[in-house]
Amino acid sequence: ETGVTQSPTHLIKTRGQQVTLRCSSQSGHNTVSWYQQALGQGPQFIFQYYREEENGRGNFPPRFSGLQFPNYSSELNVNALELDDSALYLCASSTRAGDDTDTQYFGPGTRLTVL
Amino acid sequence: AQTVTQSQPEMSVQEAETVTLSCTYDTSESDYYLFWYKQPPSRQMILVIRQEAYKQQNATENRFSVNFQKAAKSFSLKISDSQLGDAAMYFCAYISLTNAGKSTFGDGTTLTVKP
Repeated sequence: ETGVTQSPTHLIKTRGQQVTLRCSSQSGHNTVSWYQQALGQGPQFIFQYYREEENGRGNFPPRFSGLQFPNYSSELNVNALELDDSALYLCASSTRAGDDTDTQYFGPGTRLTVL
Repeated sequence: AQTVTQSQPEMSVQEAETVTLSCTYDTSESDYYLFWYKQPPSRQMILVIRQEAYKQQNATENRFSVNFQKAAKSFSLKISDSQLGDAAMYFCAYISLTNAGKSTFGDGTTLTVKP
C-alpha cells in the first residue's frame, strides 16, 4: 500500500449539499492530484495542487474547488452536489524531484453517494 | 487535448501464460510520461510500470514489461507468467510535462486470470 490516506471512506449526501474530502500525501511528496472515477470508467482529472496553489485543472465546473496545506495535505470541496457527482474520488500524491518525478501514488479513495 | 484509448475492455489469460494489453494515445507534446496502473476489485490503484517518453529503452518490472512505440503512439503492457493475483482492471495513463501535470487515463481493461 502507498502512504496516501483519504477520509472519509464512504459518504452519503443529498443533492444540493456541500462536501469536503480529505487527503494526506505520502511523506516527501509536495504535489496532490484529485480524480473522479465513475463506476466502470477510468479516473477523470479534476485538478492538481503544488506548493499550496492550483497547478492545473481538468474539465470540471468551479463548484469543484480545493486547498493544499503547508504540510501538503489537501481537501476537495464540492458545492451544490448533483446526482452525477456520485463516484469514487481518488487522491494521488507525487514529487517533482528525483527518479520518481511525477509518478502518482494513489490513496484508497472516498466513495461519495448523492441521493 | 490528449486522449488515451484502451481498445480491449476485457481480456483473459491462463495462469502461467503471457498476455498483452493494448494502449494508444494521441498527443502533440514531445515530453510526457506513460504509466500502467492496476486496480483490483474494491481496492487501491497500484502503480505497475512507468515509461519516460524521452527514453527509447522499454521499461521492465519483474514480470511486467512494456512495448513503447513513440512514433506510433502505442504503449502496450506484457504480463509474463500470469498469476491469479494479476486479476484486476488495468489502466493506461498519460501525464503531461508541459500542461501542469495534467493526467489522462484510459477506460481500462479488465483482466481475468483462469486457473
